[in-house]
Amino acid sequence: AQKVTQAQTEISVVEKEDVTLDCVYETRDTTYYLFWYKQPPSGELVFLIRRNSFDEQNEISGRYSWNFQKSTSSFNFTITASQVVDSAVYFCALSEFGSGNTGKLIFGQGTTLQVKP
Amino acid sequence: GAVVSQHPSWVICKSGTSVKIECRSLDFQATTMFWYRQFPKQSLMLMATSNEGSKATYEQGVEKDKFLINHASLTLSTLTVTSAHPEDSSFYICSARGPVISEYNEQFFGPGTRLTVL
Repeated sequence: AQKVTQAQTEISVVEKEDVTLDCVYETRDTTYYLFWYKQPPSGELVFLIRRNSFDEQNEISGRYSWNFQKSTSSFNFTITASQVVDSAVYFCALSEFGSGNTGKLIFGQGTTLQVKP
Repeated sequence: GAVVSQHPSWVICKSGTSVKIECRSLDFQATTMFWYRQFPKQSLMLMATSNEGSKATYEQGVEKDKFLINHASLTLSTLTVTSAHPEDSSFYICSARGPVISEYNEQFFGPGTRLTVL
């Protein structure tokens, strides 16, 4: 069965600190996609990144970076030099793409990040 | 492009009444739409998957007679919460996906509808 675990419920940092949000997933499929979404207080989900199971290259986008390690089934997200505007709930999600699969997303429990000035 | 809207953005209703939430894909044809529910400080849980012109597929534990889903056109899906009760108060989020045209078929999320049942 598919499962996504975000063990950190809440993280609080001071502005300019680096912070890493952990994500561990379980799946029996060999083809799958992993995602990170940001949910600010408004509630609307903001797509951050998608990664397929065959691409283990790490990715950097500005202050954001992602570390995908299939060996440990982890897809961690790091924010460098955090800012107050980064305060939000962050969700990691998994989607399998086996035959007949609908592509539905399985979300982790979410990590609430608070960045203090 | 790829904008999904929801209406209303928030609604308050009395216990026992029915509430309809609309999800529209504004600039693409959505062959598949997903409905999620999110309780306060919790994750998004998939309620059902709807394909245009066919019956929705509900996740285990979701009452299909209580949460009626209609995906009658390629740009509109509706979720009706029938005989709503306070425990149905939640944030309802839809997402839409177009026809499969590439290796990955992107899913686009609506802004959500906050339902409060008194």
